[in-house]
Amino acid sequence: DGGITQSPKYLFRKEGQNVTLSCEQNLNHDAMYWYRQDPGQGLRLIYYSQIVNDFQKGDIAEGYSVSREKKESFPLTVTSAQKNPTAFYLCASSIQTGPGEQFFGPGTRLTVL
Amino acid sequence: KQEVTQIPAALSVPEGENLVLNCSFTDSAIYNLQWFRQDPGKGLTSLLLIQSSQREQTSGRLNASLDKSSGRSTLYIAASQPGDSATYLCAVGNDYKLSFGAGTTVTVRA
Repeated sequence: DGGITQSPKYLFRKEGQNVTLSCEQNLNHDAMYWYRQDPGQGLRLIYYSQIVNDFQKGDIAEGYSVSREKKESFPLTVTSAQKNPTAFYLCASSIQTGPGEQFFGPGTRLTVL
Repeated sequence: KQEVTQIPAALSVPEGENLVLNCSFTDSAIYNLQWFRQDPGKGLTSLLLIQSSQREQTSGRLNASLDKSSGRSTLYIAASQPGDSATYLCAVGNDYKLSFGAGTTVTVRA
């Protein structure tokens, strides 16, 4: 089955810790995205990548980092510099940026203890 | 900066009634507009994609219209069912990104 997988489904972080969220796709899409969703708000773009070894900041990149070493994978690290990281994180991909039609993974809910 | 608004924030209807969900945006220079469905605690499912050159798009009981000049899109769901209960999100495509509205949460009462 083609699709986007995210792991873990739930993640708990202590203050001061870095955590990494996984996103993998087997759709052969060039572009990948990370969004953050807070209750009652629309999704906000954190980072996006158009091709391997390239990525760009979105609207709320502070306190986050990404890498794109493989076409299929786009992991997101939430660093200790992110002051309010508790949120629902969604990964998406599209055949190309432009923007094309985006397809989403099931999400990771991060809670800071 | 593109601003996307969805009104109302929540809607409750009896089963069988047609649903009308509204989306407005401030910058009419868009590439496309996408409607998504989100169930509680889940990811987004793409429902319809309308390119900027199109006026509407249909899939089964769903129909979405786009009026770029007035900055509006409407999603119609015919003959609603309890299974249609979810949050519906509108997203507008500009350049490299999608700008999302906050969504309309729909409850269809059996």
